[in-house]
Amino acid sequence: DARVTQTPRHKVTEMGQEVTMRCQPILGHNTVFWYRQTMMQGLELLAYFRNRAPLDDSGMPKDRFSAEMPDATLATLKIQPSEPRDSAVYFCASRGPEETQYFGPGTRLLVL
Amino acid sequence: ELKVEQNPLFLSMQEGKNYTIYCNYSTTSDRLYWYRQDPGKSLESLFVLLSNGAVKQEGRLMASLDTKARLSTLHITAAVHDLSATYFCAVDKMVKLIFGTGTRLQVFP
Repeated sequence: DARVTQTPRHKVTEMGQEVTMRCQPILGHNTVFWYRQTMMQGLELLAYFRNRAPLDDSGMPKDRFSAEMPDATLATLKIQPSEPRDSAVYFCASRGPEETQYFGPGTRLLVL
Repeated sequence: ELKVEQNPLFLSMQEGKNYTIYCNYSTTSDRLYWYRQDPGKSLESLFVLLSNGAVKQEGRLMASLDTKARLSTLHITAAVHDLSATYFCAVDKMVKLIFGTGTRLQVFP
C-alpha cells in the first residue's frame, strides 16, 4: 500500500527555533508538493518540485522558509527562524503519471 | 488570480436526505478534484474530473464538471453518518491545486 509519509507528525517548538519537516513521496512519483493548512487561510500551496527541481515556491515566505529535494525519496521543508504565525498543519503530496495528488498525514506544528 | 468558492460552507443534513455541494471557480481549467478530510486527518482523494461533462460516482457520492460554467457539483444521495467530514474541491492550474474553502458536512440521525 503505497503512501506518502511525513515526519515528525507533531512538533512543538519555541519562537526562533529551526524546524525541519520531512516527506517521503510515493515511489515513482516525480512531482512533490508542500501545502499549509490553517483555519484562517485554508489550504495553500507553498512550493512544488518536479524531478527534484523546484518549479514554484511563490507561496512560500522566502526569508524564513526553504524547501529542498536532496534525492527522489526525500523532500524537506525548513523554517528558520520559526514564528508563532507559522503554526499550522503542513502537508506533503506527491503525484505520478496519474492525475491525482496523494497527501501525506501532515506535520502539526505549534510555535510558542 | 484563480478563486475557488464552495457553498455552502456548513451543511447539516438528516440521514437519508439528498443534497448538493457547489464549487465555482474563476478562470479556465479542465481538471477538478474532490477531496475528503476527516477531523485531524489528511486529505483523501474522492474524484478526479478531467473534462467537460465528466461525471463520476462512488457509493452515495456523485461528482460532475461543467467547464463552460466553471462549476462542479458533489451530490450526496441518501446521506449516512459516515459521510460526515469536510469536502474540498480543488482546481488544477498548471499542476498546482487551488483549493476551495471546504464544506463541512454533518449528517445526523
